[in-house]
Amino acid sequence: DTEVTQTPKHLVMGMTNKKSLKCEQHMGHRAMYWYKQKAKKPPELMFVYSYEKLSINESVPSRFSPECPNSSLLNLHLHALQPEDSALYLCASSQDWGPGYSYNEQFFGPGTRLTVL
Amino acid sequence: AQSVTQLDSQVPVFEEAPVELRCNYSSSVSVYLFWYVQYPNQGLQLLLKYLSGSTLVKGINGFEAEFNKSQTSFHLRKPSVHISDTAEYFCAVGRVGGSYIPTFGRGTSLIVHP
Repeated sequence: DTEVTQTPKHLVMGMTNKKSLKCEQHMGHRAMYWYKQKAKKPPELMFVYSYEKLSINESVPSRFSPECPNSSLLNLHLHALQPEDSALYLCASSQDWGPGYSYNEQFFGPGTRLTVL
Repeated sequence: AQSVTQLDSQVPVFEEAPVELRCNYSSSVSVYLFWYVQYPNQGLQLLLKYLSGSTLVKGINGFEAEFNKSQTSFHLRKPSVHISDTAEYFCAVGRVGGSYIPTFGRGTSLIVHP
């Protein structure tokens, strides 16, 4: 199984709502990532988890709260978002990540398209 | 720090014609280089990668790319495109010996016309 799954596929939320995005992989990967992609732009890294610990936070606003309950699952909790947060949110995983590791291919999920009204 | 420049934002081409998507990078250290494809409403898929060794890299779906260190380029080529190749293509660079996180170019939209 070389698949990264993301749910939901689409999400529409108001600025006062609380919602969560879910990402799952069963490849035994120990690194997981969240990216944000605006239309016609490249993906931008948000967070990196390695062995269930947050390793990188690219100065993401606190209204985005990541969580890695176990090595197969990655959540992104959303609260009080702004319309400019509307984007495609991509999850990815790789075998390992961190200083000293050689290259490990990232596998991307299909993304959740988020619209904030 | 590394950076990637994709000079063409859009490349229109007719079906069965050859295509080249250009990518230039900038880095003061050795790099890994990648091409990803993103079909509409989908995530990214790795097309091919250069880590070391042969400078001509073959990938999936008939694509290939050549690493040219002197020109700091990694152009993507396909000898004959299909309608199904219509997609967004991203060139990316990663630092050898560093914690691998790709830096993406802005993307090139390949539009294949019948």
